Amino acid sequence: DIQMTQSPSSLSASVGDRVTITCQASQDISNFLNWYQQKPGKAPKLLIYDASNLETGVPSRFSGSGSGTDFTFTISSLQPEDIATYYCQQYDNLPLTFGGGTKVEIK
Amino acid sequence: EVQLVESGGGLVQPGGSLRLSCAASGFTFSSYAMSWVRQAPGKGLEWVSGISGSGDETYYADSVKGRFTISRDNSKNTLYLQMNSLRAEDTAVYYCAKDQQLLVPSWLDPWGQGTLVTVSS
Repeated sequence: DIQMTQSPSSLSASVGDRVTITCQASQDISNFLNWYQQKPGKAPKLLIYDASNLETGVPSRFSGSGSGTDFTFTISSLQPEDIATYYCQQYDNLPLTFGGGTKVEIK
Repeated sequence: EVQLVESGGGLVQPGGSLRLSCAASGFTFSSYAMSWVRQAPGKGLEWVSGISGSGDETYYADSVKGRFTISRDNSKNTLYLQMNSLRAEDTAVYYCAKDQQLLVPSWLDPWGQGTLVTVSS
């Protein structure tokens, strides 16, 4: 199975800050990498697919980049409604595997 | 609007069985693969199983292979997960999710609201 390593596991930032989360795959997954947002008590929501494509309706402050084994997810200007846990997920090989998650909090 | 509504969760004893359902609406159900993903209390996401749009191809995580069976009824727009030989470690919220492709799980959107399965004596 492909292991997905996310860091940090949690972070605290101020409103307006730039937030960056990294995700590393245990082997080359090309760009088969997605990012999800999960707010407390809610189901996950797809934000970015294929490493850098913004899902329809997702604010442009969210972005993704990377290919191969190293990926980055960025919130350009953190907003209060962005408080959530973020997960990366690969689909290069089955089983689909997720990173451990990054909990984002407001400082 | 795409909607996915799970049902069938509950409390079951170790070794018992449960069948989850996911009623889908708002899209051509047979044109998309579907998946089940679970989340143990306070933990991360774990993909459990997937099925192609026709139902001909099924996929499982090693942790549930041989115990869980995924299926779909395209005439009823419903996805199922039959769970047998349940263990305490199967305790989780189970989400169904629509895939963006027909054949093999890829990216999942949207997800249902989830149904809680608790395995305990």
